[in-house]
Amino acid sequence: DGGITQSPKYLFRKEGQNVTLSCEQNLNHDAMYWYRQDPGQGLRLIYYSQIVNDFQKGDIAEGYSVSREKKESFPLTVTSAQKNPTAFYLCASSSRGSAYNSPLHFGNGTRLTVT
Amino acid sequence: AQKITQTQPGMFVQEKEAVTLDCTYDTSDPSYGLFWYKQPSSGEMIFLIYQGSYDQQNATEGRYSLNFQKARKSANLVISASQLGDSAMYFCAMRGSNNAGNMLTFGGGTRLMVKP
Repeated sequence: DGGITQSPKYLFRKEGQNVTLSCEQNLNHDAMYWYRQDPGQGLRLIYYSQIVNDFQKGDIAEGYSVSREKKESFPLTVTSAQKNPTAFYLCASSSRGSAYNSPLHFGNGTRLTVT
Repeated sequence: AQKITQTQPGMFVQEKEAVTLDCTYDTSDPSYGLFWYKQPSSGEMIFLIYQGSYDQQNATEGRYSLNFQKARKSANLVISASQLGDSAMYFCAMRGSNNAGNMLTFGGGTRLMVKP
């Protein structure tokens, strides 16, 4: 079945360590996105990529980095510079890129806890 | 800039009754899309329904319908015949035609609780 796979589901790290969250899709979608969700709140955009080898900052990119070397993969690194990294992270993709009538399809998310 | 507002942090509904979840938006884009997502306690975001700004008719998908009032900039979700499995967070979101990357902007969400 086609879909978006995020791994792992739960991730625990010590403060000061970088950590990379995986996102893989087999939907052949060009555009991919990373969102952050804090408890009881909506989603905020971290980074997005509309095509391989290109990506753009979203609203809260500070302390995060991404790469897009393959169409299927869009890993997110949470660096030690991110002041409050504990959150739920959701990856998404879109079939018609930036078309405004194209919904985003989401993975199941990774819950990151940094202590 | 675009903004989505959901004014109901939490809602209760009796099983088998209908419920309306409110959503208002603000944008300067001439064309835009409005989306509703459901987020169960497991965390995944499930796409429910889409309404385009130029669509003449309100969108419907099974038990979900969207009450779109363009002049009022509102896009309320109506769930008919509520089921216990409808208990979840619901998010209204939009994409505009002119903002960079046409990113999806979310409201703060409404927690719906269905009572047996």
